[in-house]
Amino acid sequence: AQSVTQPDIHITVSEGASLELRCNYSYGATPYLFWYVQSPGQGLQLLLKYFSGDTLVQGIKGFEAEFKRSQSSFNLRKPSVHWSDAAEYFCAVAGTGNQFYFGTGTSLTVIP
Amino acid sequence: DTEVTQTPKHLVMGMTNKKSLKCEQHMGHRAMYWYKQKAKKPPELMFVYSYEKLSINESVPSRFSPECPNSSLLNLHLHALQPEDSALYLCASSHAGSGGTYNEQFFGPGTRLTVL
Repeated sequence: AQSVTQPDIHITVSEGASLELRCNYSYGATPYLFWYVQSPGQGLQLLLKYFSGDTLVQGIKGFEAEFKRSQSSFNLRKPSVHWSDAAEYFCAVAGTGNQFYFGTGTSLTVIP
Repeated sequence: DTEVTQTPKHLVMGMTNKKSLKCEQHMGHRAMYWYKQKAKKPPELMFVYSYEKLSINESVPSRFSPECPNSSLLNLHLHALQPEDSALYLCASSHAGSGGTYNEQFFGPGTRLTVL
């Protein structure tokens, strides 16, 4: 069965510092992976997706993610965090019927 | 137009009320979804419509009744809700996957529902 694990419930980083959010998935076939961001009280916005091909994918807002099949991981990175990046981040894998399986989310706090 | 709109933004209702949530998209997507999201939790899938037909119902109580009147609209009819149903209700849409293809879902801003 498909599942996604986000090991870090909450992360705090200083503005300007680098960021890495972890995501591990369980899926039998080639996974279709996504990262979404949610600001308080808002809907989810797609940051980036991986379907196939280059394992390093670029997204919006300066985010990137690397797919590592050997580690079943799809970690999200940003070289320099801005205060506006404070939000909840969800990793997801698509399954049968385009049903999405979301991780539990990582809450990001950015301190000045 | 890459937007999913939801109305109303906020809704307060009593346990005996009947209300409806509405969702609309004009991206030509033929799959539409309802999710329920509690604070600090991931979205929980409730229903999936594919080509205007209900394809997934995640054992949702009958007090929630979805409707897809056409390819652009998705409604969620609410009746006799409980206080524990208070949550953010998110609508999403995507191209309908087939043959093992998967597509990103576009989310609306949600309706914040409070049941008194």
